[in-house]
Amino acid sequence: EAGVAQSPRYKIIEKRQSVAFWCNPISGHATLYWYQQILGQGPKLLIQFQNNGVVDDSQLPKDRFSAERLKGVDSTLKIQPAKLEDSAVYLCASSKRRDFNTGELFFGEGSRLTVL
Amino acid sequence: GENVEQHPSTLSVQEGDSAVIKCTYSDSASNYFPWYKQELGKRPQLIIDIRSNVGEKKDQRIAVTLNKTAKHFSLHITETQPEDSAVYFCAASNGESSGSARQLTFGSGTQLTVLP
Repeated sequence: EAGVAQSPRYKIIEKRQSVAFWCNPISGHATLYWYQQILGQGPKLLIQFQNNGVVDDSQLPKDRFSAERLKGVDSTLKIQPAKLEDSAVYLCASSKRRDFNTGELFFGEGSRLTVL
Repeated sequence: GENVEQHPSTLSVQEGDSAVIKCTYSDSASNYFPWYKQELGKRPQLIIDIRSNVGEKKDQRIAVTLNKTAKHFSLHITETQPEDSAVYFCAASNGESSGSARQLTFGSGTQLTVLP
């Protein structure tokens, strides 16, 4: 079974530039998550999709971050304009179920963003 | 919201010794507690989880204990091996049965080093 695919693996940009990350979840997984992992910290949920609908985006900085999952499969996360504090690894994860209590999260290898 | 604290941030043990990582949580409604292992440069992977109706769970050399009254849970690794070296994250999820999405809140991580 193919895992969660993410690209690009690494990205370096200047502050105020824009960047986009792509994620393709495991086939058949209805729930998709984007997490931000700052160095030395645990992952922090940015947004959760159930199929192509947003379930939770309460911690997404909506003035600069946006995400979509138009066809209920792959997803993109965009940052525009980027700030220095956005430097982090952006992890995509998927699960079969919406419920954390019954569904293991499968993470991608992440996209490491450096904002200069 | 939920707050998960994890200790210690770094832990070094001799090969063959045991390692214990502890987490506390703040939301008494949390009822699911997974542990993820993240090797350097790789994706987090679930290694064990426990639900609030169980006090202890074991899987070969790893075990997790939960004290709901004190709101803390711990990961125990026995007979440690060099391949156990990684960052370990605890997490907690509230167990709402319907409505809004559950939040999975991660601790800040423990860097475990097993010395040969």
